[in-house]
Amino acid sequence: KAGVTQTPRYLIKTRGQQVTLSCSPISGHRSVSWYQQTPGQGLQFLFEYFSETQRNKGNFPGRFSGRQFSNSRSEMNVSTLELGDSALYLCASSSPGTSPHEQFFGPGTRLTVL
Amino acid sequence: AQTVTQSQPEMSVQEAETVTLSCTYDTSENNYYLFWYKQPPSRQMILVIRQEAYKQQNATENRFSVNFQKAAKSFSLKISDSQLGDTAMYFCASHAGGTSYGKLTFGQGTILTVHP
Repeated sequence: KAGVTQTPRYLIKTRGQQVTLSCSPISGHRSVSWYQQTPGQGLQFLFEYFSETQRNKGNFPGRFSGRQFSNSRSEMNVSTLELGDSALYLCASSSPGTSPHEQFFGPGTRLTVL
Repeated sequence: AQTVTQSQPEMSVQEAETVTLSCTYDTSENNYYLFWYKQPPSRQMILVIRQEAYKQQNATENRFSVNFQKAAKSFSLKISDSQLGDTAMYFCASHAGGTSYGKLTFGQGTILTVHP
C-alpha cells in the first residue's frame, strides 16, 4: 500500500496570503489528522476529519480550517498568514478498524512565511 | 487534558549499546494508548512501538521495548544494540481514547545520536 502523501512538500508565502495544503491518506483509511510542528511549540494537534466531518479540533485560531472529501483526501487552509505560521505541517491517517489510534504520518509540508 | 513530558532533550549512545529514553504522562482516562514515534532527519514520522494501557505486558518490537509503569505514569523506551540508523528525534505520544478522535498528544522529543 502506498503511504500517506502530502503536497506540496515545500511552500514559501508572504504575510497576509493564504495557503492550501493537501493530504492523501493510506487507501482505506478514513480518518485524517493534521499537526503543526515548530521548534518552539513542538507538535500540536490542529484537527481531525472522518467521513467528511470534523470530529475534533485543537486550540488554533479560526484562520486554520480544513475539509475532507468523499475519497478521504483532506486539505487544510490557512488564511491571512502570519510569520508564526512558519512550520512543518504533518498529516496522519488511521483506520479505527485495525489498530485503534495508531496514526501513519506523511512526509510533511514545510511552510515558510516571509 | 493529557500531558506528555520527555525530560531528556538530548541523548547519545555508542553503536551496539543500549539506551533508555524517558517519558511521563498525565491522564484522567482509563483506556488510553501510548506510542513512541521516531522522526529521522528526513522528517518522516515513523511508529516505533505502541502500548495499550489495559495491557500489563510491556510491548516489544525487535530491538525496541518499553517499560510501562501505569501507577507511576511512566513509559520509557529501551533501544538495544543501537544502530546508526536509530539516530533521530524520538517522540512519546498518548491518545486518550474515547472521543479524543484523531488527537495524539506529544512530548517535546528527545534527540538521540548513535555514535560509531
